Amino acid sequence: AQKITQTQPGMFVQEKEAVTLDCTYDTSDPSYGLFWYKQPSSGEMIFLIYQGSYDQQNATEGRYSLNFQKARKSANLVISASQLGDSAMYFCAMNGGYQKVTFGTGTKLQVIP
Amino acid sequence: DTEVTQTPKHLVMGMTNKKSLKCEQHMGHRAMYWYKQKAKKPPELMFVYSYEKLSINESVPSRFSPECPNSSLLNLHLHALQPEDSALYLCASSQASTVEQYFGPGTRLTVT
Repeated sequence: AQKITQTQPGMFVQEKEAVTLDCTYDTSDPSYGLFWYKQPSSGEMIFLIYQGSYDQQNATEGRYSLNFQKARKSANLVISASQLGDSAMYFCAMNGGYQKVTFGTGTKLQVIP
Repeated sequence: DTEVTQTPKHLVMGMTNKKSLKCEQHMGHRAMYWYKQKAKKPPELMFVYSYEKLSINESVPSRFSPECPNSSLLNLHLHALQPEDSALYLCASSQASTVEQYFGPGTRLTVT
């Protein structure tokens, strides 16, 4: 069975600063994918970034980067130059078998002006 | 176009009502999903359709009935719901060969 752990229920960051959201995972599958989603208060889940277990390089998408440390089973999300619009709930997730995704409990990020 | 649309945005229904939620995508994705999300919780998978066939049912009560009329449409028929079914219902889609899912804006359902 897959498990995702997000230990930070809430985080604060100053506008324009970088922030790291933690995610650890557990799986016995040799092949898996890790994702981060952003959910603003409006409710829509917005896909941010994906990392495959066999990818050699850390994934990056604009201001988002995924710090993937396979041996430590961690997949932390780094947001650079935080903006007020980054305030939202962030979910780490992994694929738990074909078409099934397991979500962590989420981290609520608040960006302070 | 990476848009998944859902209607209605909000729905209030009584426990004896029958209603339907609708989801549509035009990305050519062959897998579609229904999730239920309670406040301050992660989404919980309900159903998965792959190539228009139901491939996963996460032991959802029969008062929720999914339907996939074609590869672009996904419905969730609701009947005799309970107040505890009040939640945000999210639809998502993905290419069958990958697991990157794209979500719609959700329907906020209130059962009175």
